[in-house]
Amino acid sequence: AQSVTQLGSHVSVSEGALVLLRCNYSSSVPPYLFWYVQYPNQGLQLLLKYTSAATLVKGINGFEAEFKKSETSFHLTKPSAHMSDAAEYFCAVSPGSGGSNYKLTFGKGTLLTVNP
Amino acid sequence: DTAVSQTPKYLVTQMGNDKSIKCEQNLGHDTMYWYKQDSKKFLKIMFSYNNKELIINETVPNRFSPKSPDKAHLNLHINSLELGDSAVYFCASSGRGGDEKLFFGSGTQLSVL
Repeated sequence: AQSVTQLGSHVSVSEGALVLLRCNYSSSVPPYLFWYVQYPNQGLQLLLKYTSAATLVKGINGFEAEFKKSETSFHLTKPSAHMSDAAEYFCAVSPGSGGSNYKLTFGKGTLLTVNP
Repeated sequence: DTAVSQTPKYLVTQMGNDKSIKCEQNLGHDTMYWYKQDSKKFLKIMFSYNNKELIINETVPNRFSPKSPDKAHLNLHINSLELGDSAVYFCASSGRGGDEKLFFGSGTQLSVL
């Protein structure tokens, strides 16, 4: 069984400030972890993924996330927020090696707003 | 050229009607999905097909019937629509591996009146 908890349904930052979106997971097997972004009226797009290689993963648009097994976390960060980062962010987990995307489980999302 | 396209984008209908949403992907993927996103943005898988074969059916009412005529298409037919069916429905596709990313369509906003 697997699950994802995103702490904070809404995060608000100022333009230029650090972005930190929190994700904790639960999985009975070593997981694959993903962050997806959803802009208004659009489908989800992959930001980055962890698949048991490097624990610090870099994605698109300057985002990165660090897999911490001891904390069962996969928090998403960006050093400096831009207005265009305003969107809904989803953390997701799937069973790792040997598993499939059939069992991808999403968190409930975190809305990021960026203030000028 | 859109990778995953679904139609229509908006669907407004009365309770009790039957409606369909179509989805096509041109990525050569074997696996396709339907997800439902509720008003609180919660995203939940409904169905998954691999090469036209149903893999996942996640406790969805049998009023919902997916159809996959070929591996590039996965349509969703909904009978006897209810108010609670109002949501955004997303089609997606991917490779089969657990590390494969999902490619999403832009969604169909269904409103049942």
